[in-house]
Amino acid sequence: DAKTTQPTSMDCAEGRAANLPCNHSTISGNEYVYWYRQIHSQGPQYIIHGLKNNETNEMASLIITEDRKSSTLILPHATLRDTAVYYCIVRVAGSSNTGKLIFGQGTTLQVKP
Amino acid sequence: KAGVTQTPRYLIKTRGQQVTLSCSPISGHRSVSWYQQTPGQGLQFLFEYFSETQRNKGNFPGRFSGRQFSNSRSEMNVSTLELGDSALYLCASSLGTSEKLFFGSGTQLSVL
Repeated sequence: DAKTTQPTSMDCAEGRAANLPCNHSTISGNEYVYWYRQIHSQGPQYIIHGLKNNETNEMASLIITEDRKSSTLILPHATLRDTAVYYCIVRVAGSSNTGKLIFGQGTTLQVKP
Repeated sequence: KAGVTQTPRYLIKTRGQQVTLSCSPISGHRSVSWYQQTPGQGLQFLFEYFSETQRNKGNFPGRFSGRQFSNSRSEMNVSTLELGDSALYLCASSLGTSEKLFFGSGTQLSVL
């Protein structure tokens, strides 16, 4: 079973920041938080991951609370192309486990003009 | 660099038949994983191959099998197809030590 809880759906206005929350209250000390998204009819796409520090890349920012029990993915300026299902996943980092992800139901983000 | 390529894109089979799906990973990637996606169950992990060896397996019956070749290309096979096997089958590749997975666009299998 997935170890994360996400809202089923969210709306965001185009050009505004999209803030997607994720609860992972049972996360272990050696587990990372990963975010993937899936645009309709495509395979999931990696967005970002982190352990305890906030992370930023060209796609998004990841804010992890100090107790690591929750996190927020931030898309700073959402566009219509960001409409997708966003998955928050926690997993242990390690070379013997890289290919296995446990997906939950994710959050369907609808970006509106 | 070419992405993960899955063939065929669409497939229609009848119950009882078997099917083989193919996945070509990104060049240099040694790990290939397979996932099944259905509206009811979502994305579920099937298995992972690394250097021609299966190193992780999900909770699927033995009708689902796979293999990986020396060039890292992978195939998955489903025997004795059932209606419930209708799904989008996704393949993902990675370096094997990297934490990023790169997914293909999938094969949409319909079992009639």
